[in-house]
Amino acid sequence: KQEVTQIPAALSVPEGENLVLNCSFTDSAIYNLQWFRQDPGKGLTSLLLIQSSQREQTSGRLNASLDKSSGRSTLYIAASQPGDSATYLCAARPTGAGSYQLTFGKGTKLSVIP
Amino acid sequence: DAGITQSPRHKVTETGTPVTLRCHQTENHRYMYWYRQDPGHGLRLIHYSYGVKDTDKGEVSDGYSVSRSKTEDFLLTLESATSSQTSVYFCAISEKRDVYNSPLHFGNGTRLTVT
Repeated sequence: KQEVTQIPAALSVPEGENLVLNCSFTDSAIYNLQWFRQDPGKGLTSLLLIQSSQREQTSGRLNASLDKSSGRSTLYIAASQPGDSATYLCAARPTGAGSYQLTFGKGTKLSVIP
Repeated sequence: DAGITQSPRHKVTETGTPVTLRCHQTENHRYMYWYRQDPGHGLRLIHYSYGVKDTDKGEVSDGYSVSRSKTEDFLLTLESATSSQTSVYFCAISEKRDVYNSPLHFGNGTRLTVT
């Protein structure tokens, strides 16, 4: 069974710092790896989706990478801002049976201090 | 904005009562999902739908049923609510025909408390 782990559970950084959030998964048989942002009391917002054949995806100040062989993905946030404060979740979509069911990590709660 | 509306946003109910949560989408997406989010467990799939009247179970389907009689509406029913079903429930959709490589978009959730 796929397991997705995000470490650390919480992270606090000063404004302007570049930072990396980590996501590891146990089964490399995935279609893709998705990164989401969740603000308190809200649903998840899709940030980036990396297909299994891709190495990275970029959107603005965000860059996500994928290394299937090592079971790792990272989300790089450049020049962090207080508005980036949120919980960031990653999720892996498996191939084969059960491919409708994403496995989510428990998230990293990011606080960017002004 | 993927045009997803969940109702109600908050609900308190008593153990043993039936509860129905509604997810409404405005963009004619084929695939719809119900997740629950709990501290320590993260998000887990309850049921999903791949078309009108086409549904299947997810990881934590016991105690839940779903119905989809129209493309735009996906209903989640707790037949007899229990305290273990206290949770935040999220509806999600896949936006493209290629469901396997399509990002999920979520509604804002329904916070359900079973007393």
